[in-house]
Amino acid sequence: DSGVTQTPKHLITATGQRVTLRCSPRSGDLSVYWYQQSLDQGLQFLIQYYNGEERAKGNILERFSAQQFPDLHSELNLSSLELGDSALYFCASSVGPGYSNQPQHFGDGTRLSIL
Amino acid sequence: TQLLEQSPQFLSIQEGENLTVYCNSSSVFSSLQWYRQEPGEGPVLLVTVVTGGEVKKLKRLTFQFGDARKDSSLHITAAQTGDTGLYLCAGAEYRGSTLGRLYFGRGTQLTVWP
Repeated sequence: DSGVTQTPKHLITATGQRVTLRCSPRSGDLSVYWYQQSLDQGLQFLIQYYNGEERAKGNILERFSAQQFPDLHSELNLSSLELGDSALYFCASSVGPGYSNQPQHFGDGTRLSIL
Repeated sequence: TQLLEQSPQFLSIQEGENLTVYCNSSSVFSSLQWYRQEPGEGPVLLVTVVTGGEVKKLKRLTFQFGDARKDSSLHITAAQTGDTGLYLCAGAEYRGSTLGRLYFGRGTQLTVWP
């Protein structure tokens, strides 16, 4: 158990819809990272928040947005969903702002299926 | 374009055999991490290597970071069925505002048969 909690575990929805994925980091961790994992692209970094502020941005689409709340949990919002958005979405957390040798602890992911 | 290339993509071996998985890049990384992922779960960190030429051992697993900090290898001795999983390498690139960002390879799916 990594201590990172993601909900829901599975999500099935239709094209054009909007969903929210939730992540609670490990106790004491201030950074939250979001990743997308698909068969053709592998694990891709989307965005990082540190103590409520956006810290780094990766390959995140404009239809996607995220935020980190004062209690440090984070939400990833995906809108105008397309078939290609079907993937596993992982949240990870780390203690500090993300120094290069700092481990990231991953949750078990949310599997999003677009019909 | 994938920043980190892992090979082989798939590996299927018998219990007791040795194997090596490679992770290569043209970029220099400040550190490199190896993760293992099992179905239905998130990646779990195995090791972080920081210094060029560094070798770390974790029981039957040996990790090496290339001298130029561009590549790494994972060697497993006497593989066991419990070693089955997706092995991912991830490079951490220090570059101003992208501090802490990890670039993942696509992984090596290892299957160890009894």
